[in-house]
Amino acid sequence: KQEVTQIPAALSVPEGENLVLNCSFTDSAIYNLQWFRQDPGKGLTSLLLIQSSQREQTSGRLNASLDKSSGRSTLYIAASQPGDSATYLCAVFQGAQKLVFGQGTRLTINP
Amino acid sequence: GAGVSQSPSNKVTEKGKDVELRCDPISGHTALYWYRQSLGQGLEFLIYFQGNSAPDKSGLPSDRFSAERTGGSVSTLTIQRTQQEDSAVYLCASSLHRGTGVRETQYFGPGTRLLVL
Repeated sequence: KQEVTQIPAALSVPEGENLVLNCSFTDSAIYNLQWFRQDPGKGLTSLLLIQSSQREQTSGRLNASLDKSSGRSTLYIAASQPGDSATYLCAVFQGAQKLVFGQGTRLTINP
Repeated sequence: GAGVSQSPSNKVTEKGKDVELRCDPISGHTALYWYRQSLGQGLEFLIYFQGNSAPDKSGLPSDRFSAERTGGSVSTLTIQRTQQEDSAVYLCASSLHRGTGVRETQYFGPGTRLLVL
């Protein structure tokens, strides 16, 4: 059974810092990996999707990497801003048409 | 264009009552998913619809849960004889489906917050 783990569970950093969020998964037979953000009381917003054949994806200040063989992905956020404060979730698409989610990292950017 | 919409946004019900949650997917998206987000459990898959194929119900936690998708668009998730442990946020997502072997980005609605008293 696929298990997705995100470390740390919570992170608080000063504005302007670069930071890395980590995601690991136990079964490397995945189709793709997706990073989402969730704001309090809101749904999920898709940030980046990395296909299993890709190593990384970039969108603005966000860069996500995927190492399928080691079962790891990282989300790099450059020059963090208070508006980046949210919970970040990673999820893997495996086998059936469903996502398996990690528990999330709650990120706080302090002005 | 319009995103995924869900209604109601909040629902409070008494234990034992039935509830219906609605999802309107993005126009043109043939794949539709229901997930549940509860404290301590994270996000868990419930059910998946793709076109006219039989739905994947493997995530439904009990036979009190059912879902249908009429006309390949709107979906309704029904919980019968609600229990307090059903309290959670129920999220709907939709995506394109370009064929086997391809997994598309899922777009999520804002969710329905269900509280069972």
